[in-house]
Amino acid sequence: QLQLQESGPGLVKPSETLSLTCTVSGGSISSSSYYWGWIRQPPGKGLEWIGSIYYSGSTYYNPSLKSRVTISVDTSKNQFSLKLSSVTAADTAVYYCARRSSIAVDHWGQGTLVTVSS
Amino acid sequence: DIVMTQTPLSSPVTLGQPASISCRSSQSLVHSDGNTYLSWLQQRPGQPPRLLIYKISNRFSGVPDRFSGSGAGTDFTLKISRVEAEDVGVYYCTQATQWGTFGPGTKVDIK
Repeated sequence: QLQLQESGPGLVKPSETLSLTCTVSGGSISSSSYYWGWIRQPPGKGLEWIGSIYYSGSTYYNPSLKSRVTISVDTSKNQFSLKLSSVTAADTAVYYCARRSSIAVDHWGQGTLVTVSS
Repeated sequence: DIVMTQTPLSSPVTLGQPASISCRSSQSLVHSDGNTYLSWLQQRPGQPPRLLIYKISNRFSGVPDRFSGSGAGTDFTLKISRVEAEDVGVYYCTQATQWGTFGPGTKVDIK
């Protein structure tokens, strides 16, 4: 059974870099059938794609965040990671990692709340 | 970007009664491969979203058959034939034809 688990600091200071890692278990991140992505949800609000990565390293980023986002993959650890630079309070959100198949985003992590505050 | 809209944004329903949510995209969701990548997600309170319906009308693994999807082009509908207490939550339509965007969500709760 596929599982995704986010990890990283729950509190980040303004202007610093938010860093999260998603560990995939029960399946290989190197499968050619999937993209692996990050989606966020500000408290009480809707969902926003941040970006995604293929096992080969090719990426897609939301244009509105592109200048601040880096997503990377470590196939040896079955993990992928998110870095979001120059954060502000507007980046406070629950961050989800997810798997995107050819049909849809079909598996989600439980999510991790990241608060941007001094 | 493709913009997704949903109506209503809030839907109080009576247990055992049907519910319906509409979703509209700002442009056709028909992909060049002929598929329409419109999905529906359910997010129960305090939970991550989960996939209910993919490619307009296909129920994902484990999804009860009281959930159904329909539509084409730019207009889509999610129907719950008989609402149960566990169906309370927020429902999102989402498209994957042109990367990915989400609708604003429709909150379903019990009257």
